[in-house]
Amino acid sequence: DAKTTQPTSMDCAEGRAANLPCNHSTISGNEYVYWYRQIHSQGPQYIIHGLKNNETNEMASLIITEDRKSSTLILPHATLRDTAVYYCIVRVDGSSNTGKLIFGQGTTLQVKP
Amino acid sequence: ETGVTQSPTHLIKTRGQQVTLRCSSQSGHNTVSWYQQALGQGPQFIFQYYREEENGRGNFPPRFSGLQFPNYSSELNVNALELDDSALYLCASSSGTGHTGELFFGEGSRLTVL
Repeated sequence: DAKTTQPTSMDCAEGRAANLPCNHSTISGNEYVYWYRQIHSQGPQYIIHGLKNNETNEMASLIITEDRKSSTLILPHATLRDTAVYYCIVRVDGSSNTGKLIFGQGTTLQVKP
Repeated sequence: ETGVTQSPTHLIKTRGQQVTLRCSSQSGHNTVSWYQQALGQGPQFIFQYYREEENGRGNFPPRFSGLQFPNYSSELNVNALELDDSALYLCASSSGTGHTGELFFGEGSRLTVL
């Protein structure tokens, strides 16, 4: 699985959009980009994933660059409850290790009033 | 809430003892994976069980072992506990090999080894 690079921490004002970048320059053609978050003392929570097209769901939007070497997770209107560690993960889907995710250090997002 | 439940939520053991952690997967999910999360670190993959067999393992020694039962619930066993085994142990379920999608994590079992 390809390695990802994320900033260690970011701040965002409540009500504003939070844009979390991720670099995955060694991503392979069959690797998906996944985002999870972990609120303090809870288990990680799935947010969104994509292969090459931009994706949107009720929680967030995922923008993947055309060369797929980087992506941005967008929380359109951040709230205090979005304060968490956000993990960007790349992995091959459809393989035998579907339960395996390689977590890095993630980005600690602090949403401030 | 994901429907994945873990027990116990907290426990304290001493070095050299053995511990068993339990996980009930979300209904319909036949794959369970276990993770270890040390303080301030991201979760580390321990192993995965699919249809009662281990079919993927991370860089953990053999004293970390597991079981999956016919109802797809699972246990993580750790023998000869060491101080560095102190961590949050997370269980995640998914709907099986070849599946594209997300993992559903439980809230974890926090183990302290003294």
